[in-house]
Amino acid sequence: LAKTTQPISMDSYEGQEVNITCSHNNIATNDYITWYQQFPSQGPRFIIQGYKTKVTNEVASLFIPADRKSSTLSLPRVSLSDTAVYYCLVGGPSGSARQLTFGSGTQLTVLP
Amino acid sequence: DTAVSQTPKYLVTQMGNDKSIKCEQNLGHDTMYWYKQDSKKFLKIMFSYNNKELIINETVPNRFSPKSPDKAHLNLHINSLELGDSAVYFCASSQWGTGTATSPLHFGNGTRLTVT
Repeated sequence: LAKTTQPISMDSYEGQEVNITCSHNNIATNDYITWYQQFPSQGPRFIIQGYKTKVTNEVASLFIPADRKSSTLSLPRVSLSDTAVYYCLVGGPSGSARQLTFGSGTQLTVLP
Repeated sequence: DTAVSQTPKYLVTQMGNDKSIKCEQNLGHDTMYWYKQDSKKFLKIMFSYNNKELIINETVPNRFSPKSPDKAHLNLHINSLELGDSAVYFCASSQWGTGTATSPLHFGNGTRLTVT
């Protein structure tokens, strides 16, 4: 079962592209990778999900290499309001407790 | 039209008391969860119910008792509160068994419990 590792914190400036990488060396064949965003005093919010290669939506892109042992969340042209904690979660349809447990996430701080 | 709502938002109480947190979802999901977030932002699952049936029960003291009267509601009752129970508790829901993809979780805004 995959356990994830992310940087504890990252700083960026407004307008820059931010890439947050998550390592999941033990990802299983049927596991998907899901990223969440959490603002202070709110619950985590779904951002994007993928299985392989690249996924893009109106908020972010998710890059997954062929071996799937890591994934990178890309936020284009961040603004101050993107300051939040970002979590990656790896799991499959069985949704075990280990798969549903979040790590400590990456605190992204966007500076003016 | 909040998707996952939990009450109360804040709960301050003394050691030894019993308290409850309520959660409701209007997304039509059949699975609901309780999470605990500590001061280091680590989000740990406590319980999961699927169609009112308990399916995940992580190493949580038996002072914590979840109850699901129907698949849209999952309440958390805590007996004999201790200082270490202070945390933010989040309720979440998802659609179970959606083929090969893990159904994204939808979270409420949390209940900050402070035990003094």
